[in-house]
Amino acid sequence: GAVVSQHPSRVICKSGTSVKIECRSLDFQATTMFWYRQFPKQSLMLMATSNEGSKATYEQGVEKDKFLINHASLTLSTLTVTSAHPEDSSFYICSARSGGANEKLFFGSGTQLSVL
Amino acid sequence: AQSVTQLDSQVPVFEEAPVELRCNYSSSVSVYLFWYVQYPNQGLQLLLKYLSGSTLVKGINGFEAEFNKSQTSFHLRKPSVHISDTAEYFCAVSRGRNSGNTPLVFGKGTRLSVIA
Repeated sequence: GAVVSQHPSRVICKSGTSVKIECRSLDFQATTMFWYRQFPKQSLMLMATSNEGSKATYEQGVEKDKFLINHASLTLSTLTVTSAHPEDSSFYICSARSGGANEKLFFGSGTQLSVL
Repeated sequence: AQSVTQLDSQVPVFEEAPVELRCNYSSSVSVYLFWYVQYPNQGLQLLLKYLSGSTLVKGINGFEAEFNKSQTSFHLRKPSVHISDTAEYFCAVSRGRNSGNTPLVFGKGTRLSVIA
């Protein structure tokens, strides 16, 4: 079946640095990708919807300048957490939508970000 | 807006026993309902979905769920669980068929622990 690769799976960084998370659709073209954030014992919260070749649509309360999303190709979307703070520590997960008559939604394995 | 409530954060159950994971939703419009499973260190995998038609939906790995519009529920069941079913289960709702830019709204998840 279709696979979405998310990298890295785990990252530890110092406060003030930037971290880039990649989400790749390995065997299909994804015109739309979604980025979610999950706090411990909480549900996945949608951060933004990423469309190839256009600006991402952010959910209310999500800082655009802090969480930079780039969807430069049909198989790659990136989330960059800029000037990371400890409160940005969380589990980030992407999903990619395959098009066509039998479209489906596939999820990456997630990235655990820890900001010290 | 849609919302999803998973009433149990953790469900321990003995191997070969039946299990029910509860999910209730709220929405002012017609919805489509999903159950996803997340095994350790893996992405979310679709178990089953309800779009229309029969209210009893059968999914992979022997799971099934029943859509009950009057009770706004979509509980997940399995008559006999295996150790390998130990995972986190997420109920989700969408206004659309995962088409366009319609994302999913997730519940907080239920941790199913199967005990030998």
